[in-house]
Amino acid sequence: NAGVTQTPKFRVLKTGQSMTLLCAQDMNHEYMYWYRQDPGMGLRLIHYSVGEGTTAKGEVPDGYNVSRLKKQNFLLGLESAAPSQTSVYFCASSTSGTGEDTFGSGTRLTVV
Amino acid sequence: GNSVTQMEGPVTLSEEAFLTINCTYTATGYPSLFWYVQYPGEGLQLLLKATKADDKGSNKGFEATYRKETTSFHLEKGSVQVSDSAVYFCALRGYSGGGADGLTFGKGTHLIIQP
Repeated sequence: NAGVTQTPKFRVLKTGQSMTLLCAQDMNHEYMYWYRQDPGMGLRLIHYSVGEGTTAKGEVPDGYNVSRLKKQNFLLGLESAAPSQTSVYFCASSTSGTGEDTFGSGTRLTVV
Repeated sequence: GNSVTQMEGPVTLSEEAFLTINCTYTATGYPSLFWYVQYPGEGLQLLLKATKADDKGSNKGFEATYRKETTSFHLEKGSVQVSDSAVYFCALRGYSGGGADGLTFGKGTHLIIQP
């Protein structure tokens, strides 16, 4: 009964480094989302996917790329990390987009 | 675009007090409305939802009614417990031509319940 699993849980990067955050869901959900959470800002949508092989931009997509090669996985990439990308990142998934999202436990990323 | 406004925190109450957290929204069409709760160090959990006007969502003693005329979805609980201490997020999901959008969140309300 894993639900949505995010790896890693914590990471510290130096400015300019790259990394990939992995999100995996075992509920056969079509829709997947990446959000970032910053103090006093709530959660903001970065990118999302409505099915395998599809991606779309959300509210704050700059500096991030995503891929959905398999239905169960949604990857978030940072090509050249910046201190402004220090945040907690949450992945979520939902069925058909009409229901509620199931969230992962988050990845805390610090860029120094 | 879509937006959600909820009351700023922290909100501090005594155990067994009545709770109201206000939430208003701006959206085109007929969005679905949600309340999520986040406990320290954890992800978000769905607390309740409503998908059309006048629907009442309820769970664990919490309830909220989808009021289209006032574009509101206020969260209420009759008697709070220390275990209700958490951050509460109001959110909406709109529907564009490509299907369901991502969630639009309010900034969150930190609730502190004192024994």
